[in-house]
Amino acid sequence: KAGVTQTPRYLIKTRGQQVTLSCSPISGHRSVSWYQQTPGQGLQFLFEYFSETQRNKGNFPGRFSGRQFSNSRSEMNVSTLELGDSALYLCASSRSLAGDTQYFGPGTRLTVL
Amino acid sequence: TQLLEQSPQFLSIQEGENLTVYCNSSSVFSSLQWYRQEPGEGPVLLVTVVTGGEVKKLKRLTFQFGDARKDSSLHITAAQPGDTGLYLCAGAASNYQLIWGAGTKLIIKP
Repeated sequence: KAGVTQTPRYLIKTRGQQVTLSCSPISGHRSVSWYQQTPGQGLQFLFEYFSETQRNKGNFPGRFSGRQFSNSRSEMNVSTLELGDSALYLCASSRSLAGDTQYFGPGTRLTVL
Repeated sequence: TQLLEQSPQFLSIQEGENLTVYCNSSSVFSSLQWYRQEPGEGPVLLVTVVTGGEVKKLKRLTFQFGDARKDSSLHITAAQPGDTGLYLCAGAASNYQLIWGAGTKLIIKP
């Protein structure tokens, strides 16, 4: 069974631009969660989608948004990028809601210049 | 707001030594998961503990869930360089959200 895939793996943007990251969950998984990880930090929860509905949301500004499609694939968007948005963005899928085991993708490394 | 405090944040020890990592909270969790993350990769689940007082062993790693399901520990016996990584604990809250600890960066020196 294929694992969680994230595209792109690396991305360089400049301040003020916007970016869209993509995540394809494991087949059959209906929940997708997004996390931000900065050097020396643990995982900061962004949001979780289940059956195309946002179920939980972390404490991030409205510049961070996401959506989930009917095939469970998910995208997250960051508008008006700031230098502090440079981070590893991780996507995780699970069979049910996020309390279930999370299977992570390799992440997208975003650098904002 | 539920918090999960993980300690220590950083640990560097020699190969062969033992160590313990702790996750503590004032909140009750229905389950607690431990993950390990290596550089350039996403975290990978090591174990899930569900019952208060539960102890699970994974080779040289021993995981314990507190009786009240508010805390957990990870003990590594005779650490090896391959154990190097970021260890993360995550508790399942009542709203099905996972609450994450800040992580323990572990370095095992040969």
